Amino acid sequence: QLQLQESGPGLVKPSETLSLTCTVSGGSISSSSYYWGWIRQPPGKGLEWIGTIYYGGTTYYNPSLKSRVTISVDTSKNQFSLKLSSVSAADTAVYYCARHQGAAYYHYYMDVWGKGTTVTVSS
Amino acid sequence: QSVLTQPPSVSGAPGQRVTISCTGSSSNIGAGYDVHWYQQLPGTAPKLLIYGNSNRPSGVPDRFSGSKSGTSASLAITGLQAEDEADYYCQSYDSSLSGRVFGGGTKVTVL
Repeated sequence: QLQLQESGPGLVKPSETLSLTCTVSGGSISSSSYYWGWIRQPPGKGLEWIGTIYYGGTTYYNPSLKSRVTISVDTSKNQFSLKLSSVSAADTAVYYCARHQGAAYYHYYMDVWGKGTTVTVSS
Repeated sequence: QSVLTQPPSVSGAPGQRVTISCTGSSSNIGAGYDVHWYQQLPGTAPKLLIYGNSNRPSGVPDRFSGSKSGTSASLAITGLQAEDEADYYCQSYDSSLSGRVFGGGTKVTVL
């Protein structure tokens, strides 16, 4: 059974870089059938798509975050990672990693989610 | 303001039918992109409920159904149960924004 687990610091200082890793177990991140991505949820608010990556390295980012986001993949460790630079209090959220699949890229949905990790931006 | 518009809340008595709307535009739902629905129970991660407008993943009760028409989509829950109390989100793709978009979420309350 495929499982995803987020890990990383729970507290980040303003203006610094948030770094999270998602470890995939029970399946290969190198499958050609799937993309992998990050979604976040600020306290008491809705979901926001951050970005998506293919095992070959192709990435797609939310335009509103694109200048600050980098998503990378490490197939040898079956992991993918998120870096968000120049963070502020507005980046405080629960961050989820999820597997994406679908008939075609534009129709992709998130079918397996991690449990999420809370990141607070504060000095 | 979310690109996809959902009512903030809906409620119903046990056994009743409730529907949640997801209204988009010609750059997302109206452009033919699939709509997907997620259920988020309190304090947990979202769970895929409906994919490709109307398909249920294995294990999702047939009380949940999805439909799409024009620039809108809907999620229906029939035979409402206490365990259905949760937040529900629609999701699609938007060509103007070049990315995936979510609705603002709808809280379902079982009276």
